[in-house]
Amino acid sequence: NAGVTQTPKFQVLKTGQSMTLQCAQDMNHEYMSWYRQDPGMGLRLIHYSVGAGITDQGEVPNGYNVSRSTTEDFPLRLLSAAPSQTSVYFCASSYSAGNNQPQHFGDGTRLSIL
Amino acid sequence: AQSVTQPDIHITVSEGASLELRCNYSYGATPYLFWYVQSPGQGLQLLLKYFSGDTLVQGIKGFEAEFKRSQSSFNLRKPSVHWSDAAEYFCAVPDTASKLTFGTGTRLQVTL
Repeated sequence: NAGVTQTPKFQVLKTGQSMTLQCAQDMNHEYMSWYRQDPGMGLRLIHYSVGAGITDQGEVPNGYNVSRSTTEDFPLRLLSAAPSQTSVYFCASSYSAGNNQPQHFGDGTRLSIL
Repeated sequence: AQSVTQPDIHITVSEGASLELRCNYSYGATPYLFWYVQSPGQGLQLLLKYFSGDTLVQGIKGFEAEFKRSQSSFNLRKPSVHWSDAAEYFCAVPDTASKLTFGTGTRLQVTL
């Protein structure tokens, strides 16, 4: 019963490098999302998807791209990493996009940009 | 836009003591409300949720929360704290299409 799986758990990048954070869920959830967590700021929504082939921007989308080619996977891409993107990234999923749907979170990816 | 405020950044309680973590929401109608807990190095786990009906909501791990419309609050409580409850706690309110808006969190420290 894996739930939401994020890889890698830790990553160090140099400024300007690109990388993809992976997120997979095995619960057949339609809704998936990416948050970043920074000290004193709680979690902020980066991008979200209400189903395969559909993505939209959240509160802090700049510098990040997403795609949703399958129901299970929702990768987050950093095209050119910047120190301001040093953060802990969480992927979450829920059965649907309804406001009463609790979200299930992965364990996070801790990303440092030097 | 809906928002939640957690006025306490850090709280310390002794093991066995009671706990109340504050959450205030800003929304005209009755909101959906969630409490999540984050243990060190882990993701967020849902503690409880309020949609409508009974204003006292029971959750996992012995937690409960009370919705008070008159005070725009949804405070989290536990009668007797255990050392394993040390974690960070987040109140959250969904915007449209499940987009969660989180409070800034309250870090709970439990002394033995």
